Amino acid sequence: QKEVEQNSGPLSVPEGAIASLNCTYSDRGSQSFFWYRQYSGKSPELIMFIYSNGDKEDGRFTAQLNKASQYVSLLIRDSQPSDSATYLCAVKTLGGSNYKLTFGKGTLLTVNP
Amino acid sequence: DGGITQSPKYLFRKEGQNVTLSCEQNLNHDAMYWYRQDPGQGLRLIYYSQIVNDFQKGDIAEGYSVSREKKESFPLTVTSAQKNPTAFYLCASSWTGTNTEAFFGQGTRLTVV
Repeated sequence: QKEVEQNSGPLSVPEGAIASLNCTYSDRGSQSFFWYRQYSGKSPELIMFIYSNGDKEDGRFTAQLNKASQYVSLLIRDSQPSDSATYLCAVKTLGGSNYKLTFGKGTLLTVNP
Repeated sequence: DGGITQSPKYLFRKEGQNVTLSCEQNLNHDAMYWYRQDPGQGLRLIYYSQIVNDFQKGDIAEGYSVSREKKESFPLTVTSAQKNPTAFYLCASSWTGTNTEAFFGQGTRLTVV
């Protein structure tokens, strides 16, 4: 079982719609969860992170975490064409005395004008 | 300006040659990471380090080597033992701890011919 799994997509939504991106992880000891956005040919940039169960909102973005189900999601409200990118889910896990940051394969999102 | 610098941006090498990718950060971060990204794929962890003179293998360490002689620097050597080295390589750094985001350099695109 892969450590961090995401639907590869592509996910296509119309402008103004809500985009929903999902991620599951295998290690119950995982402690914090990150969503990054990556435009083609560029390096990833952080959108937001979450470490407690529940929802966390930042502008048009909402991250949701359910540790019992080992599930984390990202909702993008009022999607814009500029949101078209690959969204990467990352999980930080403590192994011994070191923190390991593991990424999923990413979900390609296309927002159609 | 604070940040992470990877050099060079593009690198071409002949098959069978070792090549070293540079990663320098002036953010005073303790943790540093190396990832590899292939087209349409997520980030796969090669090596990571929490402190000077200590580092751990990630999920795909075979054919790679690193050193961490200074806090600011974490160079990656792609050896001739790496069977398919052509890829986009990303370096990241963060504070240690769980709820700390990783910042990325601009990446090095390595092509082996």
